[in-house]
Amino acid sequence: GAVVSQHPSRVICKSGTSVKIECRSLDFQATTMFWYRQFPKQSLMLMATSNEGSKATYEQGVEKDKFLINHASLTLSTLTVTSAHPEDSSFYICSARAGTGGNGYTFGSGTRLTVV
Amino acid sequence: GIQVEQSPPDLILQEGANSTLRCNFSDSVNNLQWFHQNPWGQLINLFYIPSGTKQNGRLSATTVATERYSLLYISSSQTTDSGVYFCAVGESSSASKIIFGSGTRLSIRP
Repeated sequence: GAVVSQHPSRVICKSGTSVKIECRSLDFQATTMFWYRQFPKQSLMLMATSNEGSKATYEQGVEKDKFLINHASLTLSTLTVTSAHPEDSSFYICSARAGTGGNGYTFGSGTRLTVV
Repeated sequence: GIQVEQSPPDLILQEGANSTLRCNFSDSVNNLQWFHQNPWGQLINLFYIPSGTKQNGRLSATTVATERYSLLYISSSQTTDSGVYFCAVGESSSASKIIFGSGTRLSIRP
């Protein structure tokens, strides 16, 4: 089945530094990937849609200059949290869809970011 | 945008009991999935079910697209069924993104 690999699984960084999270589709090509954020005891909120070879589409209220998304190839999308602050601490999850239908979306295992 | 509501928000049951989780959505959809999020945060895809009925072991799901709801049934609950269950839908008018409901937190007690 379709597999999405996400790294790192856990990261702790100092306030003011930047953190990069990678999302890879291992056995399929993904022209579109999605980035979600989940705060404790809350649902997953879509942050942006990552399009291969073009700019990401951000949801309303998400700062595109703070959350930089790069989708350089059909199997890799990266999310960089720039100048991280404690309020950016959250669980970040990526997803992708293999094919055009019948399989739904596959999710990475998530990255737990803690900014101290 | 589309609104997705799940009920109940919390559910506590004894092992062996059956349960029904509901997902209502406000517009027509071309994608609907049920997920189980385990304690480590991993989302386990249970069903891809934009319409119709599917069954997988003790779990089954039904989506009535014309009435804009889906149901997830869990029979003979086990403690390992505990966790949060999410319904996620994709709007028919949207390119491809899916939106998550607020989830149902299920606790199965031994």
